[in-house]
Amino acid sequence: GEDVEQSLFLSVREGDSSVINCTYTDSSSTYLYWYKQEPGAGLQLLTYIFSNMDMKQDQRLTVLLNKKDKHLSLRIADTQTGDSAIYFCAGRNDYKLSFGAGTTVTVRA
Amino acid sequence: ETGVTQSPTHLIKTRGQQVTLRCSSQSGHNTVSWYQQALGQGPQFIFQYYREEENGRGNFPPRFSGLQFPNYSSELNVNALELDDSALYLCASSLGGTGGLYEQYFGPGTRLTVT
Repeated sequence: GEDVEQSLFLSVREGDSSVINCTYTDSSSTYLYWYKQEPGAGLQLLTYIFSNMDMKQDQRLTVLLNKKDKHLSLRIADTQTGDSAIYFCAGRNDYKLSFGAGTTVTVRA
Repeated sequence: ETGVTQSPTHLIKTRGQQVTLRCSSQSGHNTVSWYQQALGQGPQFIFQYYREEENGRGNFPPRFSGLQFPNYSSELNVNALELDDSALYLCASSLGGTGGLYEQYFGPGTRLTVT
């Protein structure tokens, strides 16, 4: 199975960059995903990266993958108050997604 | 395009009772996965249905069961409810069984409270 670990909390000033980190144990994960969850809501798929890629950029989001260290990160540029949420990384192995416990991002003015 | 919908939004049940949760998949999607999210935790995979057949299962006891219908909507049934079953139950739909990008789109969830 997949164990995924994330830092639990991140506080960032509005306009700064946020970096959320994740480590995973299953090297056979084919895709790695980042999801966002706002209070009382389901999960919103933000972005993903295929396991043979090192980096992917999607507007304000940059995903970095270090497959050797099994480390995944999500950078949010120009963080806004609307970015306050819980962020989950997830690894896909065959049919299932394995999620970390989530990183709560708080954006302060 | 209609997104993933779930019903009911909230539910309160008593220990020992049975519950049925429902999910309508996104238009064009033939695969539904169910997840349990306990408070303060990430979602845990329960099982997946692909073209009306169970396609995989996580570490959940048999009292968690499901169905998928010809229109690809799905039900999650939980028998003999326990206090630890209190959680947010999320349904996710996607296109295809295994292989490929496999983007899963989540519904808003059903909040189940067992007293």
